[in-house]
Amino acid sequence: QQPVQSPQAVILREGEDAVINCSSSKALYSVHWYRQKHGEAPVFLMILLKGGEQKGHDKISASFNEKKQQSSLYLTASQLSYSGTYFCGTDNYGQNFVFGPGTRLSVLP
Amino acid sequence: KAGVTQTPRYLIKTRGQQVTLSCSPISGHRSVSWYQQTPGQGLQFLFEYFSETQRNKGNFPGRFSGRQFSNSRSEMNVSTLELGDSALYLCASSPRASGLTGELFFGEGSRLTVL
Repeated sequence: QQPVQSPQAVILREGEDAVINCSSSKALYSVHWYRQKHGEAPVFLMILLKGGEQKGHDKISASFNEKKQQSSLYLTASQLSYSGTYFCGTDNYGQNFVFGPGTRLSVLP
Repeated sequence: KAGVTQTPRYLIKTRGQQVTLSCSPISGHRSVSWYQQTPGQGLQFLFEYFSETQRNKGNFPGRFSGRQFSNSRSEMNVSTLELGDSALYLCASSPRASGLTGELFFGEGSRLTVL
């Protein structure tokens, strides 16, 4: 079952912050985050394993709440290069790997 | 290090035909997975191969099939093409035993148009 992402789209000014949420109705082993720029392949950002850990990648970080089956991606002080579509992918203990529908992020100067 | 290579990049077929897409993973990667990307359905998992064995399969009809060779290169085949098969087909490789729990390295995709 496909995870739910929110919001569907967000528009920011450079320097503003954003949060993208991903939730699943099934127990999760891991959550992956990818960014895809228009016309390009998705690029890996980070993977979070069960345990509620938080990871960071430059000014992009994420958390994973295993009990709530949710993950959030935090983009701090956004840059123009952050524009793209963000996908979360959820791994239900190897039974099924599903990507969310994506969140389109546009960062304006 | 060369990335994931997919061929062909673009192709046009007509309904009822079949198509074969090829994927060469990053050297040393033994896991290859395939995804279909459409504007309406997003990224949908097709199947995953590791050491020539299909490890997982998504919810697609039997017209969609794949295989992996001993050199880890993979092909996917779609038979009896339908208009709805028009999509970007992405291949991803992973250095882990199961790509589903590790970083995926995507190719640029093969864009299929069915007329």
